Amino acid sequence: QVALRESGPALVKPTQTLTLTCTFSGFSLTTRGMCVSWIRQPPGKALEWLARIDWDDAEYYSTSLKPRLTISKDTSKNQVVLTMTNMDPVDTAIYFCARTAEAVHYAMDVWGQGTTVTVSS
Amino acid sequence: DLVLTQTPLSLSVTPGQPASISCKSAQSLQQSDGKTFLYWFLQRPGQSPQLLMFEVSRRFSGVPDRFSGSGSGTDFTLKISRVEAEDVGFYYCMQGIQLPYTFGQGTKLEIK
Repeated sequence: QVALRESGPALVKPTQTLTLTCTFSGFSLTTRGMCVSWIRQPPGKALEWLARIDWDDAEYYSTSLKPRLTISKDTSKNQVVLTMTNMDPVDTAIYFCARTAEAVHYAMDVWGQGTTVTVSS
Repeated sequence: DLVLTQTPLSLSVTPGQPASISCKSAQSLQQSDGKTFLYWFLQRPGQSPQLLMFEVSRRFSGVPDRFSGSGSGTDFTLKISRVEAEDVGFYYCMQGIQLPYTFGQGTKLEIK
């Protein structure tokens, strides 16, 4: 079955770069119509979509965060990596990765459990 | 970015009673081919979000038929015909017609 798991540091300092890895199984990012998205949720706040990478290497980003984000994939490892530069305390959040599939009209149909990132000096 | 507005932001429902959540978009979510890119998610306490509905009214695998979605253009509704205890959590609508995706603010459903 499909599963995703986020990994990365729990604590980063302001101005540092955050690198998060999404390791997935049960599908391939070389299959047409398959994508992986990153979404975050600050404490007590709503969901915020960050980025998406597609089977054909297309990349899409949040308008406001685009200058700070890079998404990439390693299909041989079944991993998607998100980097976010110049971290700030307002970036403290749970970060989720989720499969995004053409079969459900590019909705996020399977989510990881999330990884909590705290930005503090 | 495309703004989605959910109402109400919270509701308290007696088990067995219906519930309804509205999601309004600043622009039509219908593509020229007729497909409408409006989704609903439920985030139960302490859990990751889960997909409930896609293309407005199509229930995702395993979603009980007490959940239904309706609407077109810019106005959409998620209805629960008979609320159960396991339905508590935050409900989010999301649009996918235009990247970046955007979510509504979320609606908290609790049981009376």
